[in-house]
Amino acid sequence: EAGVAQSPRYKIIEKRQSVAFWCNPISGHATLYWYQQILGQGPKLLIQFQNNGVVDDSQLPKDRFSAERLKGVDSTLKIQPAKLEDSAVYLCASSAGASGLGYTFGSGTRLTVV
Amino acid sequence: GESVGLHLPTLSVQEGDNSIINCAYSNSASDYFIWYKQESGKGPQFIIDIRSNMDKRQGQRVTVLLNKTVKHLSLQIAATQPGDSAVYFCAENLSNDMRFGAGTRLTVKP
Repeated sequence: EAGVAQSPRYKIIEKRQSVAFWCNPISGHATLYWYQQILGQGPKLLIQFQNNGVVDDSQLPKDRFSAERLKGVDSTLKIQPAKLEDSAVYLCASSAGASGLGYTFGSGTRLTVV
Repeated sequence: GESVGLHLPTLSVQEGDNSIINCAYSNSASDYFIWYKQESGKGPQFIIDIRSNMDKRQGQRVTVLLNKTVKHLSLQIAATQPGDSAVYFCAENLSNDMRFGAGTRLTVKP
């Protein structure tokens, strides 16, 4: 079974630039999550989708972050404009249902803002 | 707000010894807990989970213990190997909201 795919693996941008990350969840997984993991910390949930609808985006800095999952499969997370404190690994995870079972992470995108 | 946390940020053990990694949680309504292992440059990898109606669950070389009275979760790794060196996170789930602690770095000495 293919895992959660993310791209790019690494990205370096200057502050105030824009960046986008892509995630392809495990086939059939209805729930998709984006996490931000700052170095030395645990992952922090940014947004959760159930199919193509947003379930929880309470911790998403909506002035600069946006995410979409238009067809209920792939998802894109965007930052515009980026700040230095956005430097982190952005992890995508998916699960089959609402219970958290089968929760699987991708390898993440490491973002460095300079 | 309530959150998941870990007692120790680092743990160093001798190869072959048993490891115990602890986690405290504060949300008594959480109903599902997972331990993850994260190696450098990789995403967290599922190790073992436990539901709140259980107090112990065993896997291959790993055991998770849940003490709901004191809201404590632990991960025991038997016969720790160099490949077990990683950061270990506990996570709690409440209403499909998965929250992670800061992690414990396990180092296995040969």
